[in-house]
Order: sequence, then structure tokens, then C-alpha cells
Amino acid sequence: GAVVSQHPSRVICKSGTSVKIECRSLDFQATTMFWYRQFPKQSLMLMATSNEGSKATYEQGVEKDKFLINHASLTLSTLTVTSAHPEDSSFYICSARAPGTTSQYFGPGTRLTVL
Amino acid sequence: AQKITQTQPGMFVQEKEAVTLDCTYDTSDPSYGLFWYKQPSSGEMIFLIYQGSYDQQNATEGRYSLNFQKARKSANLVISASQLGDSAMYFCAMAWGNTGKLIFGQGTTLQVKP
Repeated sequence: GAVVSQHPSRVICKSGTSVKIECRSLDFQATTMFWYRQFPKQSLMLMATSNEGSKATYEQGVEKDKFLINHASLTLSTLTVTSAHPEDSSFYICSARAPGTTSQYFGPGTRLTVL
Repeated sequence: AQKITQTQPGMFVQEKEAVTLDCTYDTSDPSYGLFWYKQPSSGEMIFLIYQGSYDQQNATEGRYSLNFQKARKSANLVISASQLGDSAMYFCAMAWGNTGKLIFGQGTTLQVKP
């Protein structure tokens, strides 16, 4: 099946710093990628839809200036958490949609801890 | 608006027994898809099974089957012959229209007892 990678898998940073998370589709081209956030013991919440070559579409309540998304190529989307604070500590998961299918393939996730 | 509901926060099942995880949904869009994912403690999301709104038959994938009752708007997951490795969090999700966006239910934690 299709493979999606995320890097890094785990990051610890100080409050006020910015953190970049990469999401790559390894063996297919993904015109659309999605970013989710999951707090402990909770469900996945969609943050934004990332389309290659255009601006991301953010869900209601998600600050676009805080969570910068760049989908520069058909295989790479990045999420930058700017000026991270402890409340941003969470599990961030991306997914990539294979063209012409309903299938969405998830990355392994990135666990962000902000001290 | 679209909505997915899982009302069982936690479930226990004896090894080798079958278990049903409940999922109900709500949407006014006639075209939608229903998914089940397994999330072990490692955090990865593992796709289990998919049911399209126009599919006439219930989806099956090995030990997983989806009991799709369209009129009742339910899409329960049935796991047969439970194994210890089935212990995980299970999420029901729905996509609609052409957006590809998924919304997830609250999740059900399944524990398989030896």
C-alpha cells in the first residue's frame, strides 16, 4: 500500500520557538494532504486541508498564522507551529489522499512537547 | 452538518470471541464514505475497512466486517475471533462529497482479554 512518512517523529522544544513537521508521500503523488491534531485520549481533529500549489484551507478555530502550512510539491507538505506554547503540545498526524480514490493514507504522527 | 458518534468509550472482549463497535453518523449529503481505523499505542492510524454510501453489500476485510444500516445511519464494526493484538483504540470516520476531509468519532478503546 501507499506509504506516508512524517519527520520528526518526536520533538521537544522550548516555549516561543517554531517547529516544522514534514509530511511526505513516498510512492504516490498527493494533490491533497490533511493535517490533524490529537490530544491524549481524544479523537483526531482536522486542522487544515493542504492543496499543492495553493493556500491551505483551515478549519474553523484553527489559527492560520500560528499553524503555517506549505504544500510545495506533490509529495511534500509541511506544518510549522510558530511561537509554540505548552498548550500546542499534541500529536500531529498528516494524511495524503491518492488521486482518484477515496483512500487516505496516514503518516505515523509527530509528538510535539513544548516546555 | 456532518457528525460521527461512537458511544462506547471502552469495550472488553474475550480472546477468540467476536465484538461489535458501534458507530452512528449524520449527513445530508447522499454521497459519503465510512471508514474504520485502528490506532495502537504507537499512534499510527491503520486503515481497516471502508463502506461507500451506495454500496449494496456490507464491506468485509478478513476478520473485519462493517454492518451498514443506511436507514438507521449506523456503521458498526464487527471483529470476529478477537486476538490480543486487536487491543487498541478504534475510530469510525466519515468523508463526504469531494472534499476528502475526514471527521472522526470519539473513539472506542478495545481491550482483548486472554
